[in-house]
Amino acid sequence: DTAVSQTPKYLVTQMGNDKSIKCEQNLGHDTMYWYKQDSKKFLKIMFSYNNKELIINETVPNRFSPKSPDKAHLNLHINSLELGDSAVYFCASSLGTGTRGYTFGSGTRLTVV
Amino acid sequence: AQTVTQSQPEMSVQEAETVTLSCTYDTSESDYYLFWYKQPPSRQMILVIRQEAYKQQNATENRFSVNFQKAAKSFSLKISDSQLGDAAMYFCAYTSTGTASKLTFGTGTRLQVTL
Repeated sequence: DTAVSQTPKYLVTQMGNDKSIKCEQNLGHDTMYWYKQDSKKFLKIMFSYNNKELIINETVPNRFSPKSPDKAHLNLHINSLELGDSAVYFCASSLGTGTRGYTFGSGTRLTVV
Repeated sequence: AQTVTQSQPEMSVQEAETVTLSCTYDTSESDYYLFWYKQPPSRQMILVIRQEAYKQQNATENRFSVNFQKAAKSFSLKISDSQLGDAAMYFCAYTSTGTASKLTFGTGTRLQVTL
């Protein structure tokens, strides 16, 4: 019955590899987000989608490509992984612009070695 | 650009006591929303409390309450009767109402609860 589920929870990979993180929500929300939490616990938005349309694209390297096949799913694909990409990546969802708050997934800890 | 500042990197409170976590924000908007999120060691982000800027009344959720001072752009969280399970990172966050609005977080306060 998980509201926002992300897979995998942990990902260890070598530099230069390509990897994907999947996210699904069953809350009926129409907006989904990707956040990055760095080693100092700072949370920064990367992307947001509303009804499959890209709304926010922060200054993120173009090695990161989000894809939203429908409003319940938002995946994140990362090409040519670098050491600096190591972080926890959170998916979140909300109704509309999120004035009632976001619901977060449990995060994916990505470690690039 | 909106910014959220948490000036206390770490706080400590004894079990059953009360603690207040500080947050200030900067915005030119008149309509916005403020939140406190809790992140325990499990890393799950949990919504603790929400405040609508146009409401003067401070929000409360059981042992959690806020002191919202709109003119001062201050939004502090008070935890009463602290419990061991309250130990976590606490993040203050802000969002406005525009189409491209986003939840902007502060840097967090780590709360330790001691016996």
